[in-house]
Parts: sequence; structure tokens; C-alpha cells
Amino acid sequence: DTEVTQTPKHLVMGMTNKKSLKCEQHMGHRAMYWYKQKAKKPPELMFVYSYEKLSINESVPSRFSPECPNSSLLNLHLHALQPEDSALYLCASSQGTGGEAFFGQGTRLTVV
Amino acid sequence: AQTVTQSQPEMSVQEAETVTLSCTYDTSESNYYLFWYKQPPSRQMILVIRQEAYKQQNATENRFSVNFQKAAKSFSLKISDSQLGDTAMYFCSGGYGGATNKLIFGTGTLLAVQP
Repeated sequence: DTEVTQTPKHLVMGMTNKKSLKCEQHMGHRAMYWYKQKAKKPPELMFVYSYEKLSINESVPSRFSPECPNSSLLNLHLHALQPEDSALYLCASSQGTGGEAFFGQGTRLTVV
Repeated sequence: AQTVTQSQPEMSVQEAETVTLSCTYDTSESNYYLFWYKQPPSRQMILVIRQEAYKQQNATENRFSVNFQKAAKSFSLKISDSQLGDTAMYFCSGGYGGATNKLIFGTGTLLAVQP
């Protein structure tokens, strides 16, 4: 199984809503990532978890809250988002040093 | 700081022809890896090819090959016998940070393969 599964595929939420994005992998990878991608732009790194601990937070606003319940799951909790947060959110995992990242299909988020 | 630069925002190639996408990078790390990813309209990021910086031999994967010039910090992708399915955004990427494997992406090159 070389898949990274993200749910939901599409999400529309109001600025006062609370929602969560979910990501799952069963490749035994110990590094998991959240990226944000705007249209026609490269993915921008948000968070990195290594061995279930947050190792990198790229100065992301606190309205985005990551969580890694176990080695296979990664969540991104969303609260009080702004319209400019509308983007494609990509989850990825890798085995670590030198290993390529495997990406999910992403969640297309629209904040209204 | 690590940077990855792609200077070709868009490129076009005829089916069955060869095209080369350019990428330069900068890093002070001695241990790093370089990747090319493609992202078709379906938006799934797919690994095309991978190069270990400590290896002098250029990586090859079927119709895809790289020209890795470590001293010049250059990492170009050659696509031979281009196919319509190669139409996608191509991102050059550098992997740094050891076990964390932080990936940094270039701005991308949109490749259109024309019939």
C-alpha cells in the first residue's frame, strides 16, 4: 500500500466554523507533512511531524492546529479561518532521510 | 537557507520530441536529495525521479533522466519521447534536514505536450 488518503476531498466552511482535515498512511513512514498550495503556486510547508512529534512549524497562524494521534494518522484542525486560507491542503509522508514524499490527493478548502 | 529556482514558467513540446526542464538550487548542507515531481490537473503530486547528492551518476527512470551538476548546483530534467500524459506542472524539489526530510519546492514549470 503506497497510498496517502486524505478526507474530505472538498470542504466549504464559514469563517466561524470548526472543521478537521484527515490524513492516513500505512507505509510505516515516520515523517508526515501538511502543505498548503494556492493555484499555480508550489506547495508551501506548514508542519512536519517526525516520530509523532511536531518538529517543524513554519510560523503558521494558530487558527491551524495540527495533531498526530498515532504514526499512521495526521489531522489538521481548522477554526476561524479567513477567505485567504482557501487553498488545496496536501498531506504527505516519507520514511525520512532521503526518502521521497508520497502525497495524498489533497483537500480543496473554500472559506466563505 | 535552502532555495530551489525554476526559471521556465511554461514550456511546450510536440509529442514524441524531447524537452529539458531547468532547475537550480542552493544549500549549505552536505547531505541532501533532489526530486522532480509532476502534478497533473488531477492535482496528485507524483514523484518522477530522485537523485542522491552524493552520487555522481545521473538518475534515469524510463523516459525521464536528470543532468545533475553538483558544482553548478544544477538539476535539469530531460523527458524523451514526450507523451500527451506528460502534460502537467513539474516541480523541482530539494530534500534537507536529515530524518525530517524537509522538502522545498521550486515555483514549477507548466509543460504542455502538443499532439
